[in-house]
This record gives sequence, C-alpha cells and structure tokens, in this order.
Amino acid sequence: KAGVTQTPRYLIKTRGQQVTLSCSPISGHRSVSWYQQTPGQGLQFLFEYFSETQRNKGNFPGRFSGRQFSNSRSEMNVSTLELGDSALYLCASSLGLAGGTQYFGPGTRLLVL
Amino acid sequence: AQTVTQSQPEMSVQEAETVTLSCTYDTSESDYYLFWYKQPPSRQMILVIRQEAYKQQNATENRFSVNFQKAAKSFSLKISDSQLGDAAMYFCAYRTYGASGTYKYIFGTGTRLKVLA
Repeated sequence: KAGVTQTPRYLIKTRGQQVTLSCSPISGHRSVSWYQQTPGQGLQFLFEYFSETQRNKGNFPGRFSGRQFSNSRSEMNVSTLELGDSALYLCASSLGLAGGTQYFGPGTRLLVL
Repeated sequence: AQTVTQSQPEMSVQEAETVTLSCTYDTSESDYYLFWYKQPPSRQMILVIRQEAYKQQNATENRFSVNFQKAAKSFSLKISDSQLGDAAMYFCAYRTYGASGTYKYIFGTGTRLKVLA
C-alpha cells in the first residue's frame, strides 16, 4: 500500500498570504489528522477529519481550517499567514477514531517571510 | 489539562547497548492511550509502540519495550541492542480515550537519541 502523501513538500510564502496544503491518506483510511511541528512548541494537534466531518480540534485560531473530501483526501488552509506559522505541517491517517495507529506523511515545510 | 513531559532533551547510547527514554504525563482520566513515535532525521514519523492504559501488561515490539507505571503516570521506552538506525527524535504521546467521539492528542517535546558506533 502507498503511504501517506503530502503536497507540496516545501512552500515559501509571505505574511498576509494564504496557503493550502494537501494530504492523501493510506487507501482505506478514513481519518486524517493535522499537526504543526515547530522547534519552540513541538508537535501540536490542529484538527482531525473523519468521513468529511471535523471531529476534533486543537487550540489554533480560526485562520487554520481544513476539510476532507469523499475520497478521504484532506486539505488544510491557513489564511493571513504570520511569521509564526512557519513550521513543518504533518498529516497522519488512520483507519478510524478509536485510538488506532496513526501513519504520518513526510510533512510540508512552510516558511513565511 | 493533560500534559506530557520528556525530561531528557538528548540521550546517547553505544551500539548494541540498552537505553531507556523517560516520559511522564499528567491526567485525571483512567482510560487513555500512550504512544512512542520515532522521527528519524528528515524522515517520516513512525509509531514505535502503543499502550492502552487499561492493560496492565507492558507492550513490547521486538527490541522496544515500555515500562508503564499507571499510578506513577510514567511511560518509559527501553531500546535493547541499540542499532545505528535507532538514531532519531523520539516523541512520547498521550491520547484521551475519546468515548464521546472527541479526543486530544498531546505530544512531549521529544528526546533526541544518538547511537554511537
């Protein structure tokens, strides 16, 4: 089976712009979670989608949003980018919600100038 | 609020030796999951081992085993016969049980493991 894929792998944006990141889960996985990883804050949970519905959400401002499509692919959008949004954004998929094993993608490294 | 603490920012181990990474957590819940994830340099994060809090038996996966002390809220990872490929950042993570369909994932700050040849 192909693993979790994320596109693009690298992005450079400027403050005030918006960005959309994409995540394709492992075939058959219905849950997709997003994380932000920074040297200062570590790994922080953004949100999780299951069957096209946001089921869980971390403590991030409304500038961070996401969605999931019927094929389980997910997108994450960040509007009005700030310098502090520079991070590695990781996506993870799992079969379901019940504490199942999460499989991580390689991440998208976002740099905001 | 739940917290996860990894007090060792960096550890070193000689190849073929054993090393233990520490993790403590704080929660008022009785049911939850605990995980150790490995993130090699510039590579994807992978699950090393997982433990359900209701299981008293410590989880093991080949050379990896945990010492789960529920009362002490401690969840350490032991790596036996360390190999060069074990060099990575290791994250301890806690997940609430989520019986209501919602849950939280909380990660520690990580321990960087160096394996010396």
